[in-house]
Parts: sequence; structure tokens; C-alpha cells
Amino acid sequence: DQQVKQNSPSLSVQEGRISILNCDYTNSMFDYFLWYKKYPAEGPTFLISISSIKDKNEDGRFTVFLNKSAKHLSLHIVPSQPGDSAVYFCAASARYTDKLIFGTGTRLQVFP
Amino acid sequence: EAQVTQNPRYLITVTGKKLTVTCSQNMNHEYMSWYRQDPGLGLRQIYYSMNVEVTDKGDVPEGYKVSRKEKRNFPLILESPSPNQTSLYFCASSSRQGVGTEAFFGQGTRLTVV
Repeated sequence: DQQVKQNSPSLSVQEGRISILNCDYTNSMFDYFLWYKKYPAEGPTFLISISSIKDKNEDGRFTVFLNKSAKHLSLHIVPSQPGDSAVYFCAASARYTDKLIFGTGTRLQVFP
Repeated sequence: EAQVTQNPRYLITVTGKKLTVTCSQNMNHEYMSWYRQDPGLGLRQIYYSMNVEVTDKGDVPEGYKVSRKEKRNFPLILESPSPNQTSLYFCASSSRQGVGTEAFFGQGTRLTVV
């Protein structure tokens, strides 16, 4: 039972354009969402997060949008750069649990 | 420098030969956990620990053991490894788990069981 789903295993975007990575969740008790970025041969690193009381959080080129009614969040990267090429995981947590549930990841490739 | 250190980075072993993957963090974090990453399955939690001597099962605990005798260390033990435990393993730590807390990950241990 995959509570956090990233339905696109891969995404290819041209440098300078917008990258949009999507994530869906099924558990309505989730109230905090995070995005992690992972380069090959490295561990995931925290990128950006959003609380369920917000619908948008921005940090430089990265913006996360949350649509609670649709149980959907997205990560926008503008403009995309070759260094953004990595695997992106979304993750969710809920107040009543000590678990962080990860999605399956989306591999982003930014080409020149 | 704040970090989570795992050892070894790469390990090839034979079925049934006990092994331990070490994990150490220098951030005085209470919460530590182990994940495995498999193609198409993302990161799945194996075990976690909320503090010294407090551990609990994650989503895929079968075939693994952990211990938390000191706050900074959280080793993962495979008593009798099998080929289906071939995977990429990550240790993570955070000040607490749940809402508002980011986890810091180690660099990973690629384990192959033949």
C-alpha cells in the first residue's frame, strides 16, 4: 500500500525551463511534506518542505505547492539547471506517527 | 561538520554470513532510522529509534536487527543475510521525527548478498 506516490519515474527538461515534479498521497492524516534530492553515490539531502496549513512555500528557484483537497503536491524548479539533475523524493509525515513515508522517486534530467 | 557516517560504503557477502553496518551521527539527534532503497520502491523504513534503548519496527523489518546503546550510534545487523537483502541502505538522523523535522542521511551502503 503506497501511501505516497510519484507516478512519473523520470522527467527530462531543457536547461532554463520549468521542471514540475508531482507527488500524490492517500493518507489524509499527513500534515507535513518534504522534498529530498539525491545524487548518485550520495545520501538524500533535504530540499524544501511545506506544512499543511500552507498551500505554497518558496525557496529561491524551488517552490512547493500543496493541494490538500486533491491530496497532491508539486515541486517547481525555475529555471532548471544541469546541476538539478538528480532523483527527487517526496515524503510525508503525520503528527500521530513517528514515521516519514517516502515516494518512489522521480529522476530529473536537465539537458543543455 | 554535521554528518551521518555509515560504514562500509560497499559490501559483498555470502548468504548466511552475519554482518553489521555501522551508523554514527555527531548532531546529538534523538531519532535515528534505517532505510533501504530498491528500484521502483523508493525508500522504505526498516527500523527506527526514538532514543537510547528505544527501537521499533518500520515497514520492512524482517531479517534485520538494530540496537541503540549510545545516542550517536545505530548499527544495522543482518544475522543471516539472504540475496533479497541486496539493496542500498541509508541511515538517517533527526532531532525528532514527524512534523517539521528534516532528516539527515548518510552516504549509503551498497550491500550485495550472493
